Amino acid sequence: AQKVIQVWSTASRQEGEELTLDCSYETSQVLYHLFWYKHLLSGEMVFLIRQMSSSTAKERSGRYSVVFQKSLKSISLVISALQPDDSGKYFCALWELENNNAPRFGAGTKLTVKP
Amino acid sequence: EAAVTQSPRNKVTVTGGNVTLSCRQTNSHNYMYWYRQDTGHGLRLIHYSYGAGNLQIGDVPDGYKATRTTQEDFFLLLELASPSQTSLYFCASSDLGANYAEQFFGPGTRLTVL
Repeated sequence: AQKVIQVWSTASRQEGEELTLDCSYETSQVLYHLFWYKHLLSGEMVFLIRQMSSSTAKERSGRYSVVFQKSLKSISLVISALQPDDSGKYFCALWELENNNAPRFGAGTKLTVKP
Repeated sequence: EAAVTQSPRNKVTVTGGNVTLSCRQTNSHNYMYWYRQDTGHGLRLIHYSYGAGNLQIGDVPDGYKATRTTQEDFFLLLELASPSQTSLYFCASSDLGANYAEQFFGPGTRLTVL
């Protein structure tokens, strides 16, 4: 069964706008990490931001921030002031920390930012 | 700078062929992973390892073997390649700690099975 669900396969915005990418996940574990990664048009996969299940802090990294709704098992990535270079595919990932598990990814959302 | 390298970057083989994908990390990470990326599926976990000599089965292991010979090196083997294994393969490494856990990815290997 899919553990990480990204409902929107594509998204399109204008430069300067703000975007929220949604991700929901399934877990019965107490301790886990959530990540957002970006697959660049160049082929590189880069880490954007992390949320620990045990943290209530609002994580932020530059123009990236997350909205973490633990009770709903939801984590959204917010990108502010979009630029054309933000175009790419965004993946949400869940790492359940018990039993030497491994991160699982959603299907990704392909974002196009138009100048 | 953390580094994960993969070779080859591109590979074309025929059905039934034997392929080995290589991955090396210089991050001193314990965990290493092999994923395949296909449109509509995202990254799917094939095999992973949490140390030299260790191997864990992922979600899509059929048709793949893996070996972790050292902390640095993780190999993915396709002994009888099939067209369904045409994909973009990513290797990654990571470790667990209080302040970090993100994966560092290699550049990917694009495999085509004719």
